[in-house]
Order: sequence, then structure tokens, then C-alpha cells
Amino acid sequence: AQSVTQPDIHITVSEGASLELRCNYSYGATPYLFWYVQSPGQGLQLLLKYFSGDTLVQGIKGFEAEFKRSQSSFNLRKPSVHWSDAAEYFCAVPNTGFQKLVFGTGTRLLVSP
Amino acid sequence: DADVTQTPRNRITKTGKRIMLECSQTKGHDRMYWYRQDPGLGLQLIYYSFDVKDINKGEISDGYSVSRQAQAKFSLSLESAIPNQTALYFCATSDGWEQFFGPGTRLTVL
Repeated sequence: AQSVTQPDIHITVSEGASLELRCNYSYGATPYLFWYVQSPGQGLQLLLKYFSGDTLVQGIKGFEAEFKRSQSSFNLRKPSVHWSDAAEYFCAVPNTGFQKLVFGTGTRLLVSP
Repeated sequence: DADVTQTPRNRITKTGKRIMLECSQTKGHDRMYWYRQDPGLGLQLIYYSFDVKDINKGEISDGYSVSRQAQAKFSLSLESAIPNQTALYFCATSDGWEQFFGPGTRLTVL
């Protein structure tokens, strides 16, 4: 069955520093991959998605993610973190029939001054 | 106006009470979902629906029921609420690829 692992529960980054959030997936075929962000008190918003093609995907708010098949990874990156990026981030994959998404347990990002 | 709305946004209730959470969408999507979020567990799928006549159980459907009253409306019910159903509940819609989430309902069962 499809699954997603986000090994980091919490990450603290200084404002202006770079960020990388890890996501490893288990998927039978070429995966479709998503990153969502949940700001405090809000629902989830799509940051970016990978369906096929270029393995480096650009998203909103200056985020990008790189699909690496050999490592079964889809890590989220940002070159310079802003205080407003403090949120919880979820990686997700669809099940085989694309009826539903399977979410990782999330990584909470804290941004220090 | 928000594309996916949930009511109420917050609710405190007592053990044994029946509770209904409502979700409405203006995106015109056929697919709708109910998730539950608990700290450290991510989002768990409760029920999903692909149209008014198609309702499917998710991973944690026990203790919950749903009703798809129309393409735009999908309600979640707790027939007899218990404390371990205290959580944040999200409704979502989908065009078959991306999911769009409502703002959530924070439910506390005392």
C-alpha cells in the first residue's frame, strides 16, 4: 500500500536560513506527490505537486521540491525562510486508484528570529 | 467567499450527544472528503464520496456517519460522541487530482 514518511516531527530554522523538509514515499508505480501547508488555525493549502516531467517542481511562496526516484524522496526546500513560513507541512501520495490521498504525519516548522 | 466552508468552526459537546458537522463547496467538484486531524497523526480519512449516491468508508469510519445531500453538501455525524473523538475535522473537495480543504471544525467532547 502507498505510504508516506516524514521523519522530522519538528524543525527549527532561523529566519533567513535555508530549509529542507524530508518526505519518503512508498508507491508501486510512478508516483504523484503533493506538499500541503497548514498555517495555524487554517485548513491545508497546496504548495506544489509532482505528476511527471521535470523532477524539480516549483510551488507557491518560494517553495520547491525535488523528486528523486532512486531515494524514494520528495523533499521540500526553500532558500530563505520567513517568519510567516512557520506552519505544519504535510507530504501526500494518492492511493493506486487515485480515489484518496495518504498523508504523512507532518513536520512542524518553527522559525526563530 | 471561501470555496469550501465548514460549520460550525468550533463546538464543545458532551459525551453521548449527537453532533453534525456540515460542509459546503462552491467549486463544483464531485468528490468530497472528511478527515480527522490529531496531533502527531497527520490526517486520517473518515469517509469520502464521489457523488450523491457513492459513499465510501475511510480508515477510521467507526463511530461516524455521513450524508451527501447534494453535490455541494457533505455532512459528518457523530451519533453518540465520545471524548476520543475530540479532534480537528476537515472537509475537502477534489477535481480528481488536487484536494481543496475547508478551514476545519474544532470539536471537543467532554
